Amino acid sequence: EVQLVESGGGLVQPGGSLRLSCAASGFTFRSYWMYWVRQTPGKGLVWVSRIKYDGSITTYADSVKGRFTISRDNAMNTVDLQVSSLRAEDTAVYYCVREASSDGSYYFDYWGQGTLLTVSS
Amino acid sequence: DIQMTQSPSSLSASEGDRVTITCRASQSITRYLNWYQQKPGKAPNLLIYGASNLQSGVPSRFSGSGSGTDFTLTVTSLQPEDFATYYCQQSYNMPRTFGGGTKVEIK
Repeated sequence: EVQLVESGGGLVQPGGSLRLSCAASGFTFRSYWMYWVRQTPGKGLVWVSRIKYDGSITTYADSVKGRFTISRDNAMNTVDLQVSSLRAEDTAVYYCVREASSDGSYYFDYWGQGTLLTVSS
Repeated sequence: DIQMTQSPSSLSASEGDRVTITCRASQSITRYLNWYQQKPGKAPNLLIYGASNLQSGVPSRFSGSGSGTDFTLTVTSLQPEDFATYYCQQSYNMPRTFGGGTKVEIK
């Protein structure tokens, strides 16, 4: 059974840092692009970052570029998101997501349960 | 970035109704369109990928159609467990973008 389990969320002051982690199991982790997607009541679902299966390519949304860093450990089957210089607008539920492909289509077929990050003083 | 616009943003329906949700992309995305269902407090769940392919385990009352810029998600004979919020998402290019959601409520 495929499982993605996030951890690390919490309450952080503006300007602070935190590390979100995602533990994957039940599939060949090193074969998949992994994503972080966040959700807020106001802005809905928004892609944040992604990392190629071998870690050689990372991409970020403009809103987090230079502040967030995605990484992965294919030996431990984990993907992390280091978040820093946090702003109130980073408050959201953060999901770890697997992107699969089939017949040329790309889609998010497995999501973690989400971890809540709250940025507030 | 490709903008995804869903309509309506909410609708009320009864059990057994046929429901159609529309998603429009700001440019052609050919058939790189996915649909998700989300229930309160839960992560989104993939329903349809590639505009019309039913994800394994998803009931056949869900179907998707469209290509280019206009897409639809149809639920025939709405069931109690189908009351939820539905999102479209394009995977034509980066950044992956989502529609604003359609909340399906009980009439």
